[in-house]
Order: sequence, then structure tokens, then C-alpha cells
Amino acid sequence: AQKITQTQPGMFVQEKEAVTLDCTYDTSDQSYGLFWYKQPSSGEMIFLIYQGSYDEQNATEGRYSLNFQKARKSANLVISASQLGDSAMYFCAMREGRNTGNQFYFGTGTSLTVIP
Amino acid sequence: GAVVSQHPSWVICKSGTSVKIECRSLDFQATTMFWYRQFPKQSLMLMATSNEGSKATYEQGVEKDKFLINHASLTLSTLTVTSAHPEDSSFYICSARAPRLAGVAETQYFGPGTRLLVL
Repeated sequence: AQKITQTQPGMFVQEKEAVTLDCTYDTSDQSYGLFWYKQPSSGEMIFLIYQGSYDEQNATEGRYSLNFQKARKSANLVISASQLGDSAMYFCAMREGRNTGNQFYFGTGTSLTVIP
Repeated sequence: GAVVSQHPSWVICKSGTSVKIECRSLDFQATTMFWYRQFPKQSLMLMATSNEGSKATYEQGVEKDKFLINHASLTLSTLTVTSAHPEDSSFYICSARAPRLAGVAETQYFGPGTRLLVL
């Protein structure tokens, strides 16, 4: 089974609107971390936001927030007030366990296009 | 934040030659580094986990004799694509395990990637 599932290969959003990128995960570990990365056309992986499995509150970082629903095993990324520079690929990732040296599992990504 | 560099950023080579890609952690020591491969419009696929001073752990389906990984120091890991063929053309990204710092959520820092084109 896929560890991380992103079901939206492509999304469009009007500039200044909010958009939600879906991510579901599969793990039997009690301790895990969920990450979102942005990858523009240059290829670099830009860290956006992190949610720990024990965190009770949804993570927020500026215009990014993570809608964490543990029972549903979902970790959707919400981008508010979209900007043209937000157009990029977005990857959801999970690290199982507490060891920061454990590998990341990545989803297939969502291509976001912000329309002026 | 911490910086990871990769060199070269672009490489074009002839089929049959070997190519070495370097991954360096510039301001921290990384006991563990990871090598990923990404085809166009696809996700990152983990190739191997590289631990300083020991042999790399390769993912299933990755040929260890073709993709040689050396993690000789706490700040440098290298990936050598031996006898490269056109199907090895891809985007290779490394990441380094980050030191645990209070209030810092990132646990891996990614390099900018290396685009390999084998003719």
C-alpha cells in the first residue's frame, strides 16, 4: 500500500483565493511526522510545514496551514491568499518513528497553477 | 537554515562514462544522507541511505554496482553513476539528516539537485 497518497495531479486556483491540497497517509506507527514541500521548476525542495503525530493543534506557517485529521489519516495543506509565485509542484511526505534519520516517503505530488 | 550543496548542478555525458555527484552539508555534520532520483513530473524515489563510515543501504531495485555511494566524511557524500546510459538521465537530489535543534521541524535538508543527461 502507498504510504502517502496525493489524489490531485493538478490544481488551479485564482490569485488571492485559498486552495487545499489533499494528502492521506498510511502507517501503523504511533509516532510519525508529516511534511509538505514545494518544488518550483528549478527543482529545489522547499520545506513549507511540519505536523507531528502528537501535535494536537494544526500547524501553521504564514499563509500555509496543515489540516490534520488523525482519525482520517489526512494532512491537507491549505494555502491562503494564493500568489503567482505559489505555482509549483507540492509534495506531501511522511517520516515514520521518532528517529530523524528515518527515510521520507513522498506522495506523487500536486501541480498547482495560480491564475492571475 | 542549514545548507546542503550539490555539485555539479548540470551534467551532460556520453553513454558509457561515469559521473560523480557530490553532496555537501555546508554548516553542519550529517551522519546520514539520502539520495533520491526524480523523473520528470514524478515523485522523488529514494535510491539509498548513506551513513558516514559504513556501506550505503540501497532500496529494492537499485543496483548498488551501478550507483556507487561513498560517505567518507560527516559533510560529504558522493554518488557515482557508473557506465551511464540514456535511461539514467534524471534529476538526482540528495538530502542530509539535520541536527536536532529546539524549535526546528525540518529533519532533512535537501540539496538543489543535479540534472544528468546521458547522450
